[in-house]
Parts: sequence; C-alpha cells; structure tokens
Amino acid sequence: DAGVTQSPTHLIKTRGQHVTLRCSPISGHKSVSWYQQVLGQGPQFIFQYYEKEERGRGNFPDRFSARQFPNYSSELNVNALLLGDSALYLCASSSSSGQETQYFGPGTRLLVL
Amino acid sequence: AQSVTQLDSQVPVFEEAPVELRCNYSSSVSVYLFWYVQYPNQGLQLLLKYLSGSTLVKGINGFEAEFNKSQTSFHLRKPSVHISDTAEYFCAVIRTGGGNKLTFGTGTQLKVEL
Repeated sequence: DAGVTQSPTHLIKTRGQHVTLRCSPISGHKSVSWYQQVLGQGPQFIFQYYEKEERGRGNFPDRFSARQFPNYSSELNVNALLLGDSALYLCASSSSSGQETQYFGPGTRLLVL
Repeated sequence: AQSVTQLDSQVPVFEEAPVELRCNYSSSVSVYLFWYVQYPNQGLQLLLKYLSGSTLVKGINGFEAEFNKSQTSFHLRKPSVHISDTAEYFCAVIRTGGGNKLTFGTGTQLKVEL
C-alpha cells in the first residue's frame, strides 16, 4: 500500500506570495494532521482534520488555513508568506481522530525568499 | 500543556557501541509517548510507542525505550548501533483522552562513526 504522499516536494516562493501544499493520506485513513518543522527544531502542530472537520489548531496565525476533501486528502494554504515560513511541512495521517499511530509523509520543503 | 525536553542535541558514538538518547517530558495530564526517527531529507518514521502496560517497549531496528513515570522520562536505547542508525531522533507525547496533536522535542542527532 502507498504511504502518505505530499506534493510538491520542494517549492520556492517570495515574500507576500501564497502557497498551497497537498497531502494524500494512507488509504482508509480519515484523519490528516499538518506540522511545520523549522530547520534544527522538532515539528510543530498546525492543524488536524477528521472527516472534513477541523479537530485541532496549533498556535499559528490566521495566514495558515487548511481543508480536507471528501476523499480525505488535504490542502494547507499559507497567505502573505514571510521569510520565517521557510520550513519542512509534514503531513501525517491516522485511521481516526484519537491517539492511533500517525504516519508521516516525506514533507514539502518550502523556501521563502 | 505538554512539553518535551531532549537534552542532548548531538550524540556521537562508535559503531557496535551501546547508545542512550534521553527524553524527559512535562504534563499535567496523562500522556502517551513516542519515538520517531528522521533520516536525511525524509519524513518521520515511528520507532516505538508507549500507550500502557509494560514500561519497557521494544520497537523496530533493535531499539527499546523505558517509561519511567516518577522521573517523567522515556529514554531510548540500543545495545549495539550501526552506521545506518545515523539520523535525527525525536521524542514526542500526546495527551490521552482526546485529539492527536503530537508535541515534539527538539531532536537528538545520532552520529555513528566507524
């Protein structure tokens, strides 16, 4: 079975632009979470979606938004990009919204110039 | 809120030597504990997890960890490391009873040398 997939793998944007990152969970998984990993740090929780509803939100500004589609794939959107948004963005899927194991994708590396 | 401390940012060790990566956590509620590994330019892979039961947990690739509630620790160990174990290791916790927000430590870079 395919694991969690993310696209694109790499992305370069300039300050003020908008970016959309995509994630496809493992088949049968209904929960998707997004994490931001700045260089040299551990991942920080951004959002969790389960059955197309937001179930959790981390301490990130309103420039960050996300949604989940009927097929359980998800998009993370970031508006008005700042240099500090440069990071590896990780998507994780799990079978439910509880404490089941989360499986991570390879991430999208975003560079903001 | 929960927090995770990984005191060692880097741990150098020779091949076939034992290694221990330290993890301490702080939480006002019960938590589950996890260790993830991240190889260069890759996502995170689960090594092992503690949910309940025996405090000694065995994971993949010969790793094990012991949950110590009184010391709020969850140290990761391997009796004999291999070059291929060179990677970043993250300890993480999740609050029991709701949600799946993982709180990660800052990571420990394990460098295995010949």
